[in-house]
Amino acid sequence: QVQLQESGPGLVKPSQTLSLTCTVSGGSISSGSYFWSWIRQPAGKGLEWIGRISTSGTTNYNPSLKSRLTISIDSSKNQFSLNLTSVTAADTAVYYCARVRSGGYDYWGQGALVTVSS
Amino acid sequence: DIVMTQSPLSLPVTPGEPASISCRSSQSLLQSNGYNYLDWYLQKPGQSPQLLIYLGSNRASGVPDRFSGIGSGTDFTLNISRVEAEDVGLYYCMQTLQTPHSFGQGTKLEIK
Repeated sequence: QVQLQESGPGLVKPSQTLSLTCTVSGGSISSGSYFWSWIRQPAGKGLEWIGRISTSGTTNYNPSLKSRLTISIDSSKNQFSLNLTSVTAADTAVYYCARVRSGGYDYWGQGALVTVSS
Repeated sequence: DIVMTQSPLSLPVTPGEPASISCRSSQSLLQSNGYNYLDWYLQKPGQSPQLLIYLGSNRASGVPDRFSGIGSGTDFTLNISRVEAEDVGLYYCMQTLQTPHSFGQGTKLEIK
């Protein structure tokens, strides 16, 4: 059974960089025709797609975040990561990582709450 | 970007009764391969979203057969034939035809 787990600081200061890692277990991150994605959800609000990365490292980003966003993959560690620079309070949210196949986002992490505050 | 619009946003339902959620996209989600790139997710309280329906009408593994998805192009519907107490939560449609992938606003299903 594939499992995903987000990890990273729960508190980030304004203007600094938010960094999260998603560790995949129960399968190789580099096998199969999958993308690996980040989604976020501010408290009490809906889901926002952040971006995705393929096993070969091809990325697609949400244009609203593109100038501040980097998603990377480390197959040797079975992980992929999110870096979001110059954060503000508007970036406070629960951040989810997920596996993407041709039919749906089939596995999700439990989510990591990141608060942007001084 | 493709905009997804759900209705209703709130859905009170009596257990055992059917329920329907509508999702419309700002452009067609039907690709030339015949697939509609529209998925449905349920986010139960305090949990991560879980995949219910993919490519418009295919139930994900382990999803009860009381859930079904229909529609094509720009208009889609999630049907629940008989609502159970465990079905409460937020339902989202999502398009994966083109990036950025995008979600509807969410429909909150609650039990009367």
